[in-house]
Amino acid sequence: GQQLNQSPQSMFIQEGEDVSMNCTSSSIFNTWLWYKQDPGEGPVLLIALYKAGELTSNGRLTAQFGITRKDSFLNISASIPSDVGIYFCAGQATWEYGNKLVFGAGTILRVKS
Amino acid sequence: DGGITQSPKYLFRKEGQNVTLSCEQNLNHDAMYWYRQDPGQGLRLIYYSQIVNDFQKGDIAEGYSVSREKKESFPLTVTSAQKNPTAFYLCASSTTGTGFVASYTFGSGTRLTVV
Repeated sequence: GQQLNQSPQSMFIQEGEDVSMNCTSSSIFNTWLWYKQDPGEGPVLLIALYKAGELTSNGRLTAQFGITRKDSFLNISASIPSDVGIYFCAGQATWEYGNKLVFGAGTILRVKS
Repeated sequence: DGGITQSPKYLFRKEGQNVTLSCEQNLNHDAMYWYRQDPGQGLRLIYYSQIVNDFQKGDIAEGYSVSREKKESFPLTVTSAQKNPTAFYLCASSTTGTGFVASYTFGSGTRLTVV
């Protein structure tokens, strides 16, 4: 089945640094979502994007829905230790996947020691 | 508080045995989903159900079975036919109408290990 291309696969953060990750697809989506998963837990929704070009913030997190509807990015500003975890993008396209979401492979955020 | 509960948190299975993972929700959601998570592979859909007594195969249904006899419950059975069952299993639920994405809720997962 279709999966989204998410990059980078992993990255190390130092407290205070800004972090960027993105997600691309060969298909058009009408909704993009970003989730965070802590170890041993289920993903939790961070930001949902519903319109091409939309830029949405949630605290230190900012996400954008690409104009082509085939990509999205997530930025985390001034990272803190509790930002570590796995970040997933997900897309939804009713005409192709109905009520199901398609997920990227995730970006693992680790703390630089 | 409404939520989705998966049990057990950790499960060990001997090779050749079937095992059933529980998923219960009290969110009054019509749709329920099972995902498998492996390192570096994201979430892959195993089965989903949009309504009671109906369910559909996802991308990796082979070796798994489900039932949906009640709206609140969507148990997943990992059968002995599943060649590599060791993984983290996530259950989710959602509404089915417009805007369902905002209602998508995940459980805390079950880690299954074959010994």
